[in-house]
Amino acid sequence: ETGVTQSPTHLIKTRGQQVTLRCSSQSGHNTVSWYQQALGQGPQFIFQYYREEENGRGNFPPRFSGLQFPNYSSELNVNALELDDSALYLCASSLAGVNYEQYFGPGTRLTVT
Amino acid sequence: GENVEQHPSTLSVQEGDSAVIKCTYSDSASNYFPWYKQELGKGPQLIIDIRSNVGEKKDQRIAVTLNKTAKHFSLHITETQPEDSAVYFCAASKGNDKIIFGKGTRLHILP
Repeated sequence: ETGVTQSPTHLIKTRGQQVTLRCSSQSGHNTVSWYQQALGQGPQFIFQYYREEENGRGNFPPRFSGLQFPNYSSELNVNALELDDSALYLCASSLAGVNYEQYFGPGTRLTVT
Repeated sequence: GENVEQHPSTLSVQEGDSAVIKCTYSDSASNYFPWYKQELGKGPQLIIDIRSNVGEKKDQRIAVTLNKTAKHFSLHITETQPEDSAVYFCAASKGNDKIIFGKGTRLHILP
């Protein structure tokens, strides 16, 4: 176990709705990265948060947004859900400035109908 | 753009034999190459990694090699066991930057 937790485990939403996913990073880690994994594909980078600031963003539209809190936990928000947003959403925690390893949580399976 | 190619997409080996997965990367500034194992219904698990200043690294039955000139890196699993069956991802990054993943290799260990 990595110590990274995510909630909820599964979620079903309707197209056009909004969703918030949560991640608690491993103890001592200061950076959280979010990835989207479509079925049968490798994870794709959404964005990274370091010290409560966005620190890099992948090729995702602005309706994907995030937050990092003082305790380094994080949220991923997706507005105006589309069918293609159905995927496994993974967060990974790391300790920037010390090493490069990113440790993943179990993910949240989002289904948009 | 940044890209990581991985092959094969599926690999079946007899229990006890070796498995090799190969990857190439496009961004010559990449300096960190992790390998992840993902089992059904779980998140990716970091199993081994290598930095660009090292050519080879071994951890029990798992070894990784890196050829910076050719921008190739490989995962070798020896004496495969049933619990090695999973999807394996190679990846590349520039330090604490985003990780770029390959598309994965589904490894089947045959009895």
